[in-house]
Amino acid sequence: SQTIHQWPATLVQPVGSPLSLECTVEGTSNPNLYWYRQAAGRGLQLLFYSVGIGQISSEVPQNLSASRPQDRQFILSSKKLLLSDSGFYLCAWRPLGRESGNTIYFGEGSWLTVV
Amino acid sequence: AQTVTQSQPEMSVQEAETVTLSCTYDTSESDYYLFWYKQPPSRQMILVIRQEAYKQQNATENRFSVNFQKAAKSFSLKISDSQLGDAAMYFCAYRSNRDDKIIFGKGTRLHILP
Repeated sequence: SQTIHQWPATLVQPVGSPLSLECTVEGTSNPNLYWYRQAAGRGLQLLFYSVGIGQISSEVPQNLSASRPQDRQFILSSKKLLLSDSGFYLCAWRPLGRESGNTIYFGEGSWLTVV
Repeated sequence: AQTVTQSQPEMSVQEAETVTLSCTYDTSESDYYLFWYKQPPSRQMILVIRQEAYKQQNATENRFSVNFQKAAKSFSLKISDSQLGDAAMYFCAYRSNRDDKIIFGKGTRLHILP
């Protein structure tokens, strides 16, 4: 069966420090991958999505970046964090093909607090 | 651009009663998918129900059903026999079959009153 792992679960970082959140999917190949951010009391904002290795689409211009070095690995990074980067980050994946119902499945999430 | 609107930030329902959460969306596409996700206090996103736009029949999953009105671009979620475990944030989501973006509404927080 397919599973998705996201880490770290909780992170407290000072302003100006770098960030790396990692997500891996197991039990499938060539999934579509997504990074979402959920600010306190708000909905899910799509940050990046990827349809293949090295293919990244950015939805929100900001100081965050994403990379997909391997088929089932998706990394969210920043060189210098801002206070406004605080929030709950969710990685998600979507299997290909209509039979899947085009459902996306989410990881457990990562809490980021920038201080 | 596609948008998803949930006009009810919070709702409350008595245990065992029925509640309907509203969702409207804006798109020029004809082939798309709609979803309702539940986010309990644990923050884990859980799929509740999904609907393919090309299917006229409303989707149902046990106590959960949708009222899909394609012409009106409306996709409401009905929860029957509400249970305490249904208390959560509920998100409506849209995905066009033409691209890979999945857009979420801002959510409705559902409280279940014992």
